Amino acid sequence: EAGVAQSPRYKIIEKRQSVAFWCNPISGHATLYWYQQILGQGPKLLIQFQNNGVVDDSQLPKDRFSAERLKGVDSTLKIQPAKLEDSAVYLCASSWDRQETQYFGPGTRLLVL
Amino acid sequence: RKEVEQDPGPFNVPEGATVAFNCTYSNSASQSFFWYRQDCRKEPKLLMSVYSSGNEDGRFTAQLNRASQYISLLIRDSKLSDSATYLCVVNEATGGFKTIFGAGTRLFVKA
Repeated sequence: EAGVAQSPRYKIIEKRQSVAFWCNPISGHATLYWYQQILGQGPKLLIQFQNNGVVDDSQLPKDRFSAERLKGVDSTLKIQPAKLEDSAVYLCASSWDRQETQYFGPGTRLLVL
Repeated sequence: RKEVEQDPGPFNVPEGATVAFNCTYSNSASQSFFWYRQDCRKEPKLLMSVYSSGNEDGRFTAQLNRASQYISLLIRDSKLSDSATYLCVVNEATGGFKTIFGAGTRLFVKA
């Protein structure tokens, strides 16, 4: 069974630029999550989708972050414009349903200069 | 108070030692609980789910105490390969579903 795919794996941008991350969940998984993990901290949930609907986006900085999951499969997370404090690993995870085991992708390591 | 709090690390133990981690959560309506393991520069991976009756998987034992709102992870006969960060995860279901990770506890097992 293929795991969660993410791209790119690494990205370096300058502050105020835009960046987008892509995630392809495990086939059949209804729930998709985006997390931000800053060095030395646990993952922080940014947004959770159930199929193509948003379940929770309470911690998503909506003035600069946006995410979508069209057709309930792939998802993209965008940052526009980026700030220095956005430097982190962005993890995508999926699960069969809410509150089930989450399977993580390898993450995208973002550095904002 | 943080929603999910874990023992501050790091824990440095010799091979063969028994080590225990605790995690407390603030929302009494939390519904499901997990321990994940994260190796350096890797993604988190499920170690085990935590059930009310407690559960054991080889050298690992997880316990849930709903009355005191904490979960624990016990590792017996530590191996060098157990060196990692252990993340406590709590799923809440009040006014929507929310997944909260603890900050993690770092474990170093030394020969």
